[in-house]
Amino acid sequence: DIQMTQSPSSLSASVGDRVTITCRASQGISNSLAWYQQKPGKAPNLLLYAASRLESGVPSRFSGSGSGTDHTLTISSLQPEDFATYYCQQYYSTPGTFGQGTRLEIK
Amino acid sequence: QITLKESGPTLVKPTQTLTLTCTFSGFSLSTSGVGVGWIRQPPGKALEWLALIYWDDDKRYSPSLKSRLTITKDTSKNQVVLTMTNMDPVDTATYYCALTHPYRPFDSWGQGTLVTVSS
Repeated sequence: DIQMTQSPSSLSASVGDRVTITCRASQGISNSLAWYQQKPGKAPNLLLYAASRLESGVPSRFSGSGSGTDHTLTISSLQPEDFATYYCQQYYSTPGTFGQGTRLEIK
Repeated sequence: QITLKESGPTLVKPTQTLTLTCTFSGFSLSTSGVGVGWIRQPPGKALEWLALIYWDDDKRYSPSLKSRLTITKDTSKNQVVLTMTNMDPVDTATYYCALTHPYRPFDSWGQGTLVTVSS
């Protein structure tokens, strides 16, 4: 299995802040990397795929970058609705492993 | 509009077999490249990929759970079924089914169903 290491595991930030979450794969995954947002009691929601492609309907303040083993999710200016847990997932090979999640909290 | 919905027991006893059904609409599992997978999430913990079945009946499993999992599809009923044998309290989780397209991750998810394993 490809292991996905996400950091930080939690993050406190304020509305308007710029935040970055990183995800490192245990081997190269090209750009086969997705980011999901999950709110309590809800299913994950796809934000980005192919490392940097924004899913339809997702605000442009979300962006992604990376290739190979190192990937990042950036939220340019946090909005109140962005406080949630974020997961990366590699879909380069099965099983499509997830990171352990980053909980983004209001400071 | 694409929808997926998980159904099955909310409570199972240790050693029992869990059978979950994903009923979907808005797409066909006979379309080239399409797949439906299962993912679970223990309370307060991370997502775990379990299994995936493709339009051509290609099946993939998590290596750590492969001996306990079976995934099947019924294209005529628009359903995917996951069975997990020898359930244990550590298998208590919300189980999700989700849709994938070629070269894409899971882009549509069901609402999830909480399964508790307890005697």
